[in-house]
Amino acid sequence: GAGVSQSPRYKVAKRGQDVALRCDPISGHVSLFWYQQALGQGPEFLTYFQNEAQLDKSGLPSDRFFAERPEGSVSTLKIQRTQQEDSAVYLCASSLEVRPVANTEAFFGQGTRLTVV
Amino acid sequence: AQSVAQPEDQVNVAEGNPLTVKCTYSVSGNPYLFWYVQYPNRGLQFLLKYITGDNLVKGSYGFEAEFNKSQTSFHLKKPSALVSDSALYFCAVRDPYGNNRLAFGKGNQVVVIP
Repeated sequence: GAGVSQSPRYKVAKRGQDVALRCDPISGHVSLFWYQQALGQGPEFLTYFQNEAQLDKSGLPSDRFFAERPEGSVSTLKIQRTQQEDSAVYLCASSLEVRPVANTEAFFGQGTRLTVV
Repeated sequence: AQSVAQPEDQVNVAEGNPLTVKCTYSVSGNPYLFWYVQYPNRGLQFLLKYITGDNLVKGSYGFEAEFNKSQTSFHLKKPSALVSDSALYFCAVRDPYGNNRLAFGKGNQVVVIP
């Protein structure tokens, strides 16, 4: 596609419910990132994929958060037993480069706004 | 760890006046610096980046940024602000030793007054 696509745009979940957020990166982009943006804050890194390999998951806040990218394209961020503090915008970004090259920009999707009630 | 700081919460500027959004950075090694803009209910849009070379970087929508190594700053500028520039602006630094993740500042709300 022309850009990074995320779905759903909005998700309301009851506390304790499991949710799955989808990201379609730009075709051919090797790197894929997930970020969490709380209200009034800058995005915070969650996890990184290079193709299908999850190379860094150090930003995932708890073991309730799980991400996958099984075929090296579409990625899913899953949150189990959602809690109110999980309410945030979840942003996906993709970029063409691989390590160690760091000079290409990341392209972001519009995000999924998760509200846990 | 790589980090950036955006000291101001909100920047108010009259339409037609110069706009400056401040950013300072802290890195080990060479800095890879970015500016993104976020409009309401939209994702982050890339504006410009500094990797190496000229200290004055030109980007999208008439924005530019000046890299200053001695002051560890990367301020975003626009000579003449438009009402449509009202948005949230984020400075970010890429961590080449951390899988190229971006570390963002807290953001600055820019309000351009007609």
